[in-house]
Amino acid sequence: AQSVTQLGSHVSVSEGALVLLRCNYSSSVPPYLFWYVQYPNQGLQLLLKYTTGATLVKGINGFEAEFKKSETSFHLTKPSAHMSDAAEYFCAVRGMNRDDKIIFGKGTRLHILP
Amino acid sequence: DTGVSQNPRHKITKRGQNVTFRCDPISEHNRLYWYRQTLGQGPEFLTYFQNEAQLEKSRLLSDRFSAERPKGSFSTLEIQRTEQGDSAMYLCASSLDRGRLSPLHFGNGTRLTVT
Repeated sequence: AQSVTQLGSHVSVSEGALVLLRCNYSSSVPPYLFWYVQYPNQGLQLLLKYTTGATLVKGINGFEAEFKKSETSFHLTKPSAHMSDAAEYFCAVRGMNRDDKIIFGKGTRLHILP
Repeated sequence: DTGVSQNPRHKITKRGQNVTFRCDPISEHNRLYWYRQTLGQGPEFLTYFQNEAQLEKSRLLSDRFSAERPKGSFSTLEIQRTEQGDSAMYLCASSLDRGRLSPLHFGNGTRLTVT
């Protein structure tokens, strides 16, 4: 079984500051890991994913995440926050079996302060 | 690629009424998923289809819920005898399964309010 825990339901950062959204996962098998973003009244959009290989994954809009197996973490970062980054972010995990489904965390709402 | 389309965007209904939502996936996608999202929570898996076959249903999907994908294209999710606890955003997603991981493409959801 898989699960994810996102630390902090709300995170506020100043425009131009570093963004760090935390995610820890639990998985009985090697996981696939994802970050999705959701803007108000919209569906979820894939930011980035980790499957195998390089542990530092780059995504859209300048975001990246690093898979750390020893820490069971997949934290999302962006060097410099922009006002347009204000949204809700979801970490998700899936097993490698073909019929495994994606399990989402509860989400972290990112607020950008001017 | 016109994306995943969900209708209606919003539905307000009285408790006890039946409602039906529709999802049109990306045309070549063979997998279709339904998720439910309540305030302050991440999406929770409800069910998914491979073509027209419903392969898995969550325990969240009570007997009042039924989903179909009759021709392996669009899907409907029906809730009978709605309850206030059914108020949520219902999200549909699709993917192309070729035996390798493919990302989910989400629609904008149907927001259900049960009064």
